Amino acid sequence: DQQVKQNSPSLSVQEGRISILNCDYTNSMFDYFLWYKKYPAEGPTFLISISSIKDKNEDGRFTVFLNKSAKHLSLHIVPSQPGDSAVYFCAASVLEMDSSYKLIFGSGTRLLVRP
Amino acid sequence: DVKVTQSSRYLVKRTGEKVFLECVQDMDHENMFWYRQDPGLGLRLIYFSYDVKMKEKGDIPEGYSVSREKKERFSLILESASTNQTSMYLCASSLSLLTGEQYFGPGTRLTVT
Repeated sequence: DQQVKQNSPSLSVQEGRISILNCDYTNSMFDYFLWYKKYPAEGPTFLISISSIKDKNEDGRFTVFLNKSAKHLSLHIVPSQPGDSAVYFCAASVLEMDSSYKLIFGSGTRLLVRP
Repeated sequence: DVKVTQSSRYLVKRTGEKVFLECVQDMDHENMFWYRQDPGLGLRLIYFSYDVKMKEKGDIPEGYSVSREKKERFSLILESASTNQTSMYLCASSLSLLTGEQYFGPGTRLTVT
């Protein structure tokens, strides 16, 4: 039962264009949604997050959009650069009433930005 | 800069061996985590700790245990390694549990033969 899904395993985009990475989730109780970037042989690095009470968060070239009614999250990178080529994981966190905690990751999307 | 270090980048062990994976963070974070990453499955939480000597099971704790005797150090223990525990193991730490912003180490690629 995958609560966070990234249905596209890979995406290829021309340098300078927009990259759009998508993520769907099933649990309406998630508190925060995050995007992590991972280069080969390195651990994931935090990129950007959004609270469940917002619908948009922007940081430089990166914007995350949250559509709660559709249970859909997307990351827009514009303009895309070759250095953005990496695997991108979306993740969602929830702190339950019993103080149990979950941070659930999607399976990742490999982005290739072509020069 | 937050630094999370893991004791080994690559490890090869035999089935049945006891395996220790060590993780150290230098930012005085309360929370520490152990994940495993497998192709097509993303990162899955094994255990986490929100304080010294405190631990909570994640999604896949079976076959693993953890130890947190000091705030900066979180160890993952495979009591009797099996081939299905061959994976990339990632340690992380965070200041806030809720926001989900975690800092990851470089990972340990463990192969059990």
